[in-house]
Amino acid sequence: DAGVIQSPRHEVTEMGQEVTLRCKPISGHNSLFWYRQTMMRGLELLIYFNNNVPIDDSGMPEDRFSAKMPNASFSTLKIQPSEPRDSAVYFCASSPRDRSNQPQHFGDGTRLSIL
Amino acid sequence: AQKVTQAQTEISVVEKEDVTLDCVYETRDTTYYLFWYKQPPSGELVFLIRRNSFDEQNEISGRYSWNFQKSTSSFNFTITASQVVDSAVYFCALSGGGAAGNKLTFGGGTRVLVKP
Repeated sequence: DAGVIQSPRHEVTEMGQEVTLRCKPISGHNSLFWYRQTMMRGLELLIYFNNNVPIDDSGMPEDRFSAKMPNASFSTLKIQPSEPRDSAVYFCASSPRDRSNQPQHFGDGTRLSIL
Repeated sequence: AQKVTQAQTEISVVEKEDVTLDCVYETRDTTYYLFWYKQPPSGELVFLIRRNSFDEQNEISGRYSWNFQKSTSSFNFTITASQVVDSAVYFCALSGGGAAGNKLTFGGGTRVLVKP
């Protein structure tokens, strides 16, 4: 079975540019999560969706970040304009239901470098 | 608020030694779930195990074992007879019930280096 698919795997861009990260969750999973991993802050939850609806976006750092889930099989995380401090690995994860006992399955991540 | 603490930042062992990773958590939920994830050098996060707060039975899976003690709010993880392929960062995580859904709170991770 296909796991969570993220693209691109690596992204290098200049400060001020728009960055769009993409995620395809596991088919049939109803919950989708975006995380950011840095050395300083570890793994942080940015936002999560349940049945395509954003449930909690309290982790989104600022207005430059936005996330959408137009359908059950696709989500985007956008940064506009990007800044060097946004450099991190961004993970997407999905789980079968919005229940606390469900393990989340992670994609391979997008390594983002803002110059 | 929930919190997960992994006090050990890095552990280095020689192959075939046992390794125990500590995890201490804080939560006000009466029902909660604990997880361990592995992040190998390639970078992906791999789910290893989930435990329920109402089931304190310890578990063994191959060379992996987990010790859940509610009285001390700990969920420790042991790798027996470690191998070089066990080298990775291991994360403990917690999710609670209620409105939090299945939001995960992660610990800071413990890097395990197994030397041949």
